[in-house]
Amino acid sequence: GDSVTQMEGPVTLSEEAFLTINCTYTATGYPSLFWYVQYPGEGLQLLLKATKADDKGSNKGFEATYRKETTSFHLEKGSVQVSDSAVYFCALNHDNNNDMRFGAGTRLTVKP
Amino acid sequence: GAVVSQHPSRVICKSGTSVKIECRSLDFQATTMFWYRQFPKQSLMLMATSNEGSKATYEQGVEKDKFLINHASLTLSTLTVTSAHPEDSSFYICRRAGRGKLAKNIQYFGAGTRLSVL
Repeated sequence: GDSVTQMEGPVTLSEEAFLTINCTYTATGYPSLFWYVQYPGEGLQLLLKATKADDKGSNKGFEATYRKETTSFHLEKGSVQVSDSAVYFCALNHDNNNDMRFGAGTRLTVKP
Repeated sequence: GAVVSQHPSRVICKSGTSVKIECRSLDFQATTMFWYRQFPKQSLMLMATSNEGSKATYEQGVEKDKFLINHASLTLSTLTVTSAHPEDSSFYICRRAGRGKLAKNIQYFGAGTRLSVL
């Protein structure tokens, strides 16, 4: 079945450092790919998404490109801020299908 | 603001007690709600799908009598962990899909409930 594997954390960076969180997936067909962020005490929020190969999702300085050839959707940000400290989840689902698959989550801590 | 309200955010209880977790859809009537649990350093695992007006659909390996799901109204779904034991300690979170063509594939999550059973 479909699955998502993401980089284990925790990840600790200094402010303004470059961030990469790796995510790879296994799926049949052409799923949509997502990154969700969970700030302390809050629910998961959609950060960005891509619905087809070579699409780039972007939001709040974060980017991820849907790479079908490598089945990856790595999350990147050029300069992280303390406020980016959160847990990040990679996920996939197929359109009109309620079955979402999540990665294990990666905790990011950004220090001033 | 929050679209899905989940309560309580944290529960600490003694072994053998039952714990009820509520998930409310605040902006529209949700006929379907999804319940997940997450163990430390592991992925969110779908436990069951809550359907208003009918029985919940449970994933393989999830005990129906242990995790009672009730979709009492179009805006409220509840998960009750019956006779909780320390191995039930986990993070539980609900999810609701968006509606309409423009909201396709948009998902809304509750803030989650951290259950600790002593």
